[in-house]
Amino acid sequence: GNSVTQMEGPVTLSEEAFLTINCTYTATGYPSLFWYVQYPGEGLQLLLKATKADDKGSNKGFEATYRKETTSFHLEKGSVQVSDSAVYFCALIGNFGNEKLTFGTGTRLTIIP
Amino acid sequence: EAGVAQSPRYKIIEKRQSVAFWCNPISGHATLYWYQQILGQGPKLLIQFQNNGVVDDSQLPKDRFSAERLKGVDSTLKIQPAKLEDSAVYLCASSSARGMNDKNIQYFGAGTRLSVL
Repeated sequence: GNSVTQMEGPVTLSEEAFLTINCTYTATGYPSLFWYVQYPGEGLQLLLKATKADDKGSNKGFEATYRKETTSFHLEKGSVQVSDSAVYFCALIGNFGNEKLTFGTGTRLTIIP
Repeated sequence: EAGVAQSPRYKIIEKRQSVAFWCNPISGHATLYWYQQILGQGPKLLIQFQNNGVVDDSQLPKDRFSAERLKGVDSTLKIQPAKLEDSAVYLCASSSARGMNDKNIQYFGAGTRLSVL
């Protein structure tokens, strides 16, 4: 079945540091890939997505590129802010009809001033 | 546009008691999902509705969990009787079409945090 493996956290960075959160996946065919973010006390929000190989999703300064050859979708941001502190989830959904959205375990990110 | 509404936000019960959660999806969204998110894990799908019909309930522990969406709009998820391992955040999500593709994104509510003592 489908699975998502995320970089284990928690991750603590100083403000303006460069961020990478690794995500790799296992799936048949060409799944759609997502990053969701969960701020304290809130539900999950879609951060960005990519639906085919070599697509780059981007939003709020975050980027992730769909790498079919390495089955990866790493999240990056060039300069993080305190407001980026949250839990980040990598997720995928297959493209064979009504498949489930499969999540990774989440990575807690804390940015210190 | 109003988001997915869930209530209550928090619930504390003793084991063997029953509890119910309510969800009102985004207006016009035909598909509704209930997820269980245990601390330190990603959300796990419990049940998916398309209008008022069940599409997938393969991971719903049917001996104690039940869910309904009678009029194809809001939904309730019930646990009876609760066990200690049911302590989790229960998330509701909705999307505008059956299943999910690059055009149909799931929108999540803030969740209900359940503690079973």
